[in-house]
Amino acid sequence: QKEVEQNSGPLSVPEGAIASLNCTYSDRGSQSFFWYRQYSGKSPELIMSIYSNGDKEDGRFTAQLNKASQYVSLLIRDSQPSDSATYLCAVELDKLIFGSGTRLLVRP
Amino acid sequence: EAQVTQNPRYLITVTGKKLTVTCSQNMNHEYMSWYRQDPGLGLRQIYYSMNVEVTDKGDVPEGYKVSRKEKRNFPLILESPSPNQTSLYFCASSFGGGYTEAFFGQGTRLTVV
Repeated sequence: QKEVEQNSGPLSVPEGAIASLNCTYSDRGSQSFFWYRQYSGKSPELIMSIYSNGDKEDGRFTAQLNKASQYVSLLIRDSQPSDSATYLCAVELDKLIFGSGTRLLVRP
Repeated sequence: EAQVTQNPRYLITVTGKKLTVTCSQNMNHEYMSWYRQDPGLGLRQIYYSMNVEVTDKGDVPEGYKVSRKEKRNFPLILESPSPNQTSLYFCASSFGGGYTEAFFGQGTRLTVV
C-alpha cells in the first residue's frame, strides 16, 4: 500500500465550479499535511498546509483534514483555467512523503 | 529574494560520464533534500541532509551521491549515470524535516543517453 494515495485524474471541471481533490495516507502518526500545486514543467509550490482536524480556508482554497479516516482534501471554489495543474498531497512522516498527484483541468 | 537555485536546468549526457547538479539556498535552512520525479511515480526522495556534514539516504539513493560541506549548498553527484536516471530532479530546502514548508528549486531535466 502506498503511503500517500491520490487519484491521478484528470479531474475535469467547468470554470466557476468547485474542484474537489482527495488524498489518503497510511500512517496514523502523521501530523502535518500539505497541498502543493505544480504547473507542467515547473517546481511544486505550497498552497495550503493543515495540522489539525477540520477545515482551513485561504481565499478560494479550503483544506480539510480527518485524521480518524486518514483523509485530507482540497477544495477549490470558483475554479479558474489558471488553476489547471497537478496537485500534490504531501504528508509528514519524519520527512515529506508525496502522493503522485492529481491533474486538474478547468474548462473555460 | 528567498530562493533555491539549481543548475543546470537542462542536461543531456552520455552513460558513464560523471556529472554534478548544484543546489544552493539563501534562506539559512538546515534541511535540504533531493527528489526525482517520474510520470506516475510522483516525487521520490533521493537523499536528504539535516545539517552540515549530516546526510542520509532517502527512498531511491542507488546511483547517487551527495555532500553538505556548507549550509547553503547541497550538490547531487551521479558518478556513472545510466539511462534509468533520466528524470526531472528537484532540490528542496526547509527549516525542519517534514513539518514545515519545503521550497523547491526550478528543477533539472536530465537525459542520459
